[in-house]
This record gives sequence, structure tokens and C-alpha cells, in this order.
Amino acid sequence: GAGVSQTPSNKVTEKGKYVELRCDPISGHTALYWYRQSLGQGPEFLIYFQGTGAADDSGLPNDRFFAVRPEGSVSTLKIQRTERGDSAVYLCASSSGWTGANEQYFGPGTRLTVT
Amino acid sequence: AQTVTQSQPEMSVQEAETVTLSCTYDTSESNYYLFWYKQPPSRQMILVIRQEAYKQQNATENRFSVNFQKAAKSFSLKISDSQLGDTAMYFCALKGGATNKLIFGTGTLLAVQP
Repeated sequence: GAGVSQTPSNKVTEKGKYVELRCDPISGHTALYWYRQSLGQGPEFLIYFQGTGAADDSGLPNDRFFAVRPEGSVSTLKIQRTERGDSAVYLCASSSGWTGANEQYFGPGTRLTVT
Repeated sequence: AQTVTQSQPEMSVQEAETVTLSCTYDTSESNYYLFWYKQPPSRQMILVIRQEAYKQQNATENRFSVNFQKAAKSFSLKISDSQLGDTAMYFCALKGGATNKLIFGTGTLLAVQP
């Protein structure tokens, strides 16, 4: 079946602009995660959803970052007033449950470049 | 706080040889999981192998196996019969306690040479 998909694959935006990054999880997966991977680093956790609600948003760096999952499937990560330091690959993952044993399946990521 | 440390930024191995990637971690949780992920240039993170902390037996998946030393908080990955397709970044990750977030190390870039 289809895996996790993310759009766009690449996004270039100017400093100060607003961007939206989309994640389509594997069908039926109830848990969804966002990570950010800066150049030369491992992914860092941003937020995760159980169904429609954000169960843990402790990784969001500041109030410019916001994520939604209104119907419990597709999620959108929103970044306001982008800064050059926001440039990174944003990875989305989904899993069939939210226990520790459930494997997280990752999408190919969106590379965000802020000029 | 939970941390994962990978001290080998880059490794190289000849095709068909065996290589071991190192990982140490720290957590105060008694129930946790450890993972090795592979990230090729396509950016897609692929799960290689998983270890539940409560299991003493080391996990094995075909050519991939781990050496899990719980007391030492060490979790190394051994790749046997290395293949050119194994060339990628490898990340060690930890998921502990009630949280479902993965904590990643900084990665090891493995190059398999023909």
C-alpha cells in the first residue's frame, strides 16, 4: 500500500513569509509525528498527534510553529514569519498506534529553504 | 533527559566485509525501545532493526544484528556481508517511557566500497 507522503518535496521561501507543509499518513494510522532535521543532524521531535489532538507539542521551538490534524488523517505544519534558521528537512511519520511498540513509518520529507 | 550519542561521524567498509556502528544512550526509564534507522540520499528513514529493553536476547534481521548491553547503555549495530546498497546515514534512536517521540543520535555516514 501507499506509504507516508509529504508535499511539497522542496519549498523555497523568503524570510518573513508564511509556509504550510502537508503530510498524508498511511491510511488507518492513528498517530502522526513531525520531526525537523537540520543539516548534519539527526531528526528532532516537534509534535505528535493521537487522532485529531496534539498529544505532545513539547518540541515546537516557538509560537511561530503550529500544526493541525482536523480530521485525524492529513496534517499540516504551519510556520509563520519564517526565519533563515527554519531551513531544514521536515519529516513526517505515522504509526498504527501510540504505544512504544508501534513502528513509525517516515515520509520522504519536505526540504524548506528560507532565503 | 534522554540522550543518544553516536561517536563515529563516518565509517567505511569493503563490500562483503563486516562493520559495527556504535551507539550509547541515557535514559531513566525502565521501559524503552532502541532502534537503528537507515537514511539513504532519498531522505526516507527506513527502520533497520528494533530492540525492546526488557528482552535480553539481541535482535537480528537477516544481515543486521545488534549488541545490546543494557548495563553499559550501549546499542551497536553489526552489518555482515556489507553491500553497496547499505551505503547511507545510520541513526540510532531511543523511545522511552510513556512518550512516543523518538530521540535520535547525530548519525554515522557509512560508505561501502566496491
